[in-house]
Formats: sequence, C-alpha cells, structure tokens
Amino acid sequence: NAGVTQTPKFQVLKTGQSMTLQCAQDMNHEYMSWYRQDPGMGLRLIHYSVGAGITDQGEVPNGYNVSRSTTEDFPLRLLSAAPSQTSVYFCASIGTEAFFGQGTRLTVV
Amino acid sequence: SQQGEEDPQALSIQEGENATMNCSYKTSINNLQWYRQNSGRGLVHLILIRSNEREKHSGRLRVTLDTSKKSSSLLITASRAADTASYFCATDDGYSTLTFGKGTMLLVSP
Repeated sequence: NAGVTQTPKFQVLKTGQSMTLQCAQDMNHEYMSWYRQDPGMGLRLIHYSVGAGITDQGEVPNGYNVSRSTTEDFPLRLLSAAPSQTSVYFCASIGTEAFFGQGTRLTVV
Repeated sequence: SQQGEEDPQALSIQEGENATMNCSYKTSINNLQWYRQNSGRGLVHLILIRSNEREKHSGRLRVTLDTSKKSSSLLITASRAADTASYFCATDDGYSTLTFGKGTMLLVSP
C-alpha cells in the first residue's frame, strides 16, 4: 500500500500563477485534509473533506480551492499564487489516526 | 484558531534523560493524539488517547490526559539521539478533522 501520495515535492511559482497540488490515498478514508506549515505556526488547516462531494473550509482557506470527486483524490488548487502562500503543504488522510503525505515545499516569487 | 498549545516550545536534553512535553486545548474532545515530525518530513502518528482514558503507554512513550484541565502530557523515557524531532499534539472533536498545536522541538544530544 502506498498510503498517501502527494505531489510535487518542490515547486516554485511566480506571483499570479496557478497550480494544483495532488493528493491520493489508498486507505478508503472518508476524511482528508490539507494543512500548511509555517515556521513557528505549526500546522494550520486549509480545507478538509468528510467524503466524496463534501468539502469545507478550515482556518486559512483564502486563496485555495478544493474538490473531492472521488474518495481517493483530494487536490488543492492555488488560484493566483501570492508570496504569502510560500509554505510547506501537507495532505492528510484520516481514519482513527492521520496519515500524512511527504509534503510540498512551495515558493512563490 | 489552533486548538492545542504545546509547552515548552523547545526542549534540549542528554541521551538517557526523560523528556516531557505538555499540551493544552480549549474545547471538548473525542480523543487526543501525538505526532512526531522529523525535519522536512511528514508527521507520523505516535499514540492516541481517548477522552475516557487517563493514561496510555506505548514502548518508551507514556501519555496522560486530564480532561478537567484540558491538558495532556507526553513522556519519552530514556531518550535517544534518534528521538530528536518536533512533537505535536492534535485534538479530534469527533465532528470534522484534526486540529494541531504549534509543536515542541526536542533535541537529544549524545
């Protein structure tokens, strides 16, 4: 089993560009989440989903979109990248415990 | 806002010593979990304690939970250099998703 597969690992964007971070899980979990991690801030919840077709906003949703068309996939879209979105992003698939992807280190210049 | 707050923010000890980290939270929980993060990596689940439990052990880990004080502690006994990492508590309210604290950075020196 792969667990949680998150891509890409690194990305550099120019301000205003858009991109999609991919996240896939093979554990048949209903709950999936996206977090961002900034120095001294811990993990902050961006968006989450409690099942296919159902998403909701977390603590810091502005500038991000999500969709959940299948149980397996939960992509995160940056609509128009800004330097404030420079961060490390983690996808999590949550059963009794959370399983995390390896992270995406995003730099917006 | 974040639910859990770990204390201390950073902890430096020698190999063989015990390390204790604390977590305080604000609202009612279904369970509380502890995670470990090595530098540059994703978080890894360590242990879960349910709201009706007071103490739980797993190897060198001991977790306590005091729901009346809304606090938990993680004790790592006989620390090793390989325990060097950041440790996070996460609360599950049973309705939505996990909420993480800011973490404790543990440095274990040989």
